[in-house]
Amino acid sequence: SQKIEQNSEALNIQEGKTATLTCNYTNYSPAYLQWYRQDPGRGPVFLLLIRENEKEKRKERLKVTFDTTLKQSLFHITASQPADSATYLCASSKDSGYSTLTFGKGTMLLVSP
Amino acid sequence: NAGVMQNPRHLVRRRGQEARLRCSPVKGHSHVYWYRQLPEEGLKFMVYLQKENIIDESGMPKERFSAEFPKEGPSILRIQQVVRGDSAAYFCASSPPWQGASTDTQYFGPGTRLTVL
Repeated sequence: SQKIEQNSEALNIQEGKTATLTCNYTNYSPAYLQWYRQDPGRGPVFLLLIRENEKEKRKERLKVTFDTTLKQSLFHITASQPADSATYLCASSKDSGYSTLTFGKGTMLLVSP
Repeated sequence: NAGVMQNPRHLVRRRGQEARLRCSPVKGHSHVYWYRQLPEEGLKFMVYLQKENIIDESGMPKERFSAEFPKEGPSILRIQQVVRGDSAAYFCASSPPWQGASTDTQYFGPGTRLTVL
C-alpha cells in the first residue's frame, strides 16, 4: 500500500537559518507531492505542489524538490522566522485529476528567535 | 472568497449518540473529501464525494459511518452510535472542477473536533 514517511522528530532551528524537511514514499510512484502547513487546532493550508516530471518548485522563501530515484521530496524554508513554526505535512496522490491524498504524519518545525 | 466552512467546530457526544458534521465547500467547488486526524496520527482519507454521488469511500469504516453531498446544501458526515475511539478531528476539503494540472489542490476547512464521553 502507499506509504508516506516524514521525520517524526521536531526540527529546531535558529531564526535566519534554512529549514529542510524530508518526505519519503514507498510502494508506488506518485503523480505529484504536495506540502501543507498545519497550525495547532487549525486545518492544513496548501503551500506547494510538485509533479513527478518537475525537479524543483519555488514560492517566495519556500522550495520543494522531487527526486524520483531516491523516492524523496525535500521542503526548504530559507531565512526562517519564528512565524514559520508549525507542523508541515507531505501528501501524495497516485493520479492527477480528482484523487484522494495520502498524508505523512507531519514534522513539527520550531524556529527560535 | 469564503473558504471551506465546517460546523460545529467542537462537538461533544456521549457514547451511543449520533454525530453530524457539516461541510460547505468553497463556492464553485463540486468535489468534497473527508479526512480524520487522530491524536498523534496523520490525516487519513475517509470518503470522496461529488454532488449526489459517492466516488470513493474506501477509507470509511464499514459500519456506523455515512456521508452525503446533496444537490443543495452542505456535505454531511454522519456517525451513528459513537464510541470513544471516534474522538478525533474531522476535516473536510474541497476542490474545483478539474481544468488541468493546476487544480489538483485541495482546500481544507478548520475541522470539527469530536469528543466522545
